[in-house]
Amino acid sequence: AQSVTQPDIHITVSEGASLELRCNYSYGATPYLFWYVQSPGQGLQLLLKYFSGDTLVQGIKGFEAEFKRSQSSFNLRKPSVHWSDAAEYFCAVGAGAAGNKLTFGGGTRVLVKP
Amino acid sequence: DAGVIQSPRHEVTEMGQEVTLRCKPISGHNSLFWYRQTMMRGLELLIYFNNNVPIDDSGMPEDRFSAKMPNASFSTLKIQPSEPRDSAVYFCASSFPQRGGWTTDTQYFGPGTRLTVL
Repeated sequence: AQSVTQPDIHITVSEGASLELRCNYSYGATPYLFWYVQSPGQGLQLLLKYFSGDTLVQGIKGFEAEFKRSQSSFNLRKPSVHWSDAAEYFCAVGAGAAGNKLTFGGGTRVLVKP
Repeated sequence: DAGVIQSPRHEVTEMGQEVTLRCKPISGHNSLFWYRQTMMRGLELLIYFNNNVPIDDSGMPEDRFSAKMPNASFSTLKIQPSEPRDSAVYFCASSFPQRGGWTTDTQYFGPGTRLTVL
């Protein structure tokens, strides 16, 4: 069965600084990989996804992620964070047809200091 | 586009009562997913439908939980009888097949229903 680990439960970053969120997955086949963001009291919004091709994926809100098969990782990055980036971030791996069956990591809560 | 609509947004009930959560997917989407989010277990997929047919219900915790999708624009998740350990945020999501073959569907999430069972 697939699994996702997000080692960092909380990260605090200063506004304007860079951000990197770690994600490691376990899956027996070529993975579909996703990053979602959840603002307080809201549902989840897709930031980006990977299923094949270029291992560096660009997403919305200035985020990007890099798939590294050898490390079973799909880390999320942003060069310069804004106060509005404070939220919880979830990495997920998709199994089944079109990667529909999502397994989520535990999430990383990002706090942004002014 | 109104997005995925869930109702109610908040539900407080007493142990043993029946609870029904509702979801209206985005028009034109043919897949619908129910998730549960708790502090202890995180986000878990409970069940998903494709073209109104349940495809995978392996995440449904026990027989007290049931889900239906009578038509393309409506789904329910029912808990009967409810227990305090069912307290969680329940999300509904929908998706549609991407055009062009080798790609994967993006799931669009609703705002969730926060269920509290006393």
